Amino acid sequence: AQSVTQLGSHVSVSEGALVLLRCNYSSSVPPYLFWYVQYPNQGLQLLLKYTTGATLVKGINGFEAEFKKSETSFHLTKPSAHMSDAAEYFCAVTSVSSGYALNFGKGTSLLVTP
Amino acid sequence: DADVTQTPRNRITKTGKRIMLECSQTKGHDRMYWYRQDPGLGLRLIYYSFDVKDINKGEISDGYSVSRQAQAKFSLSLESAIPNQTALYFCATRAGDNQPQHFGDGTRLSIL
Repeated sequence: AQSVTQLGSHVSVSEGALVLLRCNYSSSVPPYLFWYVQYPNQGLQLLLKYTTGATLVKGINGFEAEFKKSETSFHLTKPSAHMSDAAEYFCAVTSVSSGYALNFGKGTSLLVTP
Repeated sequence: DADVTQTPRNRITKTGKRIMLECSQTKGHDRMYWYRQDPGLGLRLIYYSFDVKDINKGEISDGYSVSRQAQAKFSLSLESAIPNQTALYFCATRAGDNQPQHFGDGTRLSIL
C-alpha cells in the first residue's frame, strides 16, 4: 500500500524566510507524488507533481519539491515566504489499489508572520 | 465556470435524514472520486468510479452510497445521516493514472 507522512501539523515562518514542509512516503511501486494547497473555504489546488523524470519539480507560486528515492522523501520548499502562502498543505501519493485515488497526509498548516 | 461543481456548498440537517450531495464536471474525465475531510485527518476516500458501470468502495464507505448517473455526474448519498458524518466533502476527477486530481470547492455538511 502507498502512504505518506507529513511531519509537523503546524509550521510557522517569518515573511521572507525559507519554507520547508516535510513529506515522507511509503510505496512498493514507483510512486506518483503530489502537493496540494488549500486556502480557507476553498477546494484543493495542485502545487506540483512528480511522476517520472527530473527529480526536482517546480510548481506554481514559487514552490518546488525534490523526489529523493533513497530517503523516501518529497519535501516542499519555497525560498521566501509571502503572507499569501498561509494555507493548509497536503502531500499525497497515488494508491494503485484504490483506482489511482490519492492517499493524503494529514496536512500541514503554514502560518506566515510579518 | 468551475470545472468540478459541487452542490450544495453548505448543508445543515438532522440525524436520520437522507442527504444527497451532487457533483458534476465539464472536464470529460472518466474517473471520479468522493473524499471526506476531517480536521487533523487529511482527506479519506469514500468511493470512486471509472465509468457509469464501475463503482468501487474506498477506505470509509460504510454509511454512504453513490450513483454515477452519467460520465459527468457522480452523487454521494447518506441514507440515514449521523453526527459523526459531519465533515467537509470533496468530489474530484482525474484523467489518467499519473495525472493530478481536480477538486470541487467542497460541501460543508453538518448533522445535528
